[in-house]
Amino acid sequence: EAGVAQSPRYKIIEKRQSVAFWCNPISGHATLYWYQQILGQGPKLLIQFQNNGVVDDSQLPKDRFSAERLKGVDSTLKIQPAKLEDSAVYLCASSPSKGEGLETQYFGPGTRLLVL
Amino acid sequence: QKEVEQNSGPLSVPEGAIASLNCTYSDRGSQSFFWYRQYSGKSPELIMSIYSNGDKEDGRFTAQLNKASQYVSLLIRDSQPSDSATYLCAVKDYGQNFVFGPGTRLSVLP
Repeated sequence: EAGVAQSPRYKIIEKRQSVAFWCNPISGHATLYWYQQILGQGPKLLIQFQNNGVVDDSQLPKDRFSAERLKGVDSTLKIQPAKLEDSAVYLCASSPSKGEGLETQYFGPGTRLLVL
Repeated sequence: QKEVEQNSGPLSVPEGAIASLNCTYSDRGSQSFFWYRQYSGKSPELIMSIYSNGDKEDGRFTAQLNKASQYVSLLIRDSQPSDSATYLCAVKDYGQNFVFGPGTRLSVLP
C-alpha cells in the first residue's frame, strides 16, 4: 500500500512570496489533515478535511493560508504572502475514517519550508 | 484552549533500562490517546493507541491511561539505542480535534 505522498520535499522562498504544497493521501482514506511543525515543537493542526468538507480549520491563519480538497482525494495548502515565522515542516496525514482503530493518522514525509 | 503537556527532556536512560514518558491533557472530554515516535528529520509514526483506562501492551511498549487524572504514559522496556527519538503524545476529543504535545526527547545510551 502506497503511503501519503507530499511535494515538494523542500522549498526556499523569500518573505511575501507565495508557495503551495500538495498532498495525496492513502487510497480510500476519507480524512486528511494538514499540520505545521515548527522546529522543537509538536505538530499543530491547521486544517482537517472529511472527504471534501472542512471539519476543523480553527487554527488556520486564514488571512494568508488556504487549503482545498476539491474531489475528496488530494489536497493543496497555499501560503500567500509568506512570513518569516512560516518557516516550518508542513505535514500531511490521512486516516481511514472515524471510530476506534480507524483514526490512526499516517503521515507523509513533509515539506520543509524556509522563508528568508 | 485544549492543551497537552509533556516534559521536553532530554530523558536519558541506559540501554536495557525502562524508559517512562508522561503526558497530561486538559480536556476531560478527550476520548482517544496516541503515542507517536519521531526520529530527527522524519515524520511521526504511530506506536500505540489507547482508548480505555488501564494498560495496553504491545511488545516492549506499554501505554497506560488514567482518565480521572487526565494522564497517559508510555513505558519502553529493554530500551535500545534505536529507541532514541522524540515521543509525541496526541489526544483526540469527540469532535475529532487532534492536539499534539511538544514531545519528549529520549536518548538511550549504549
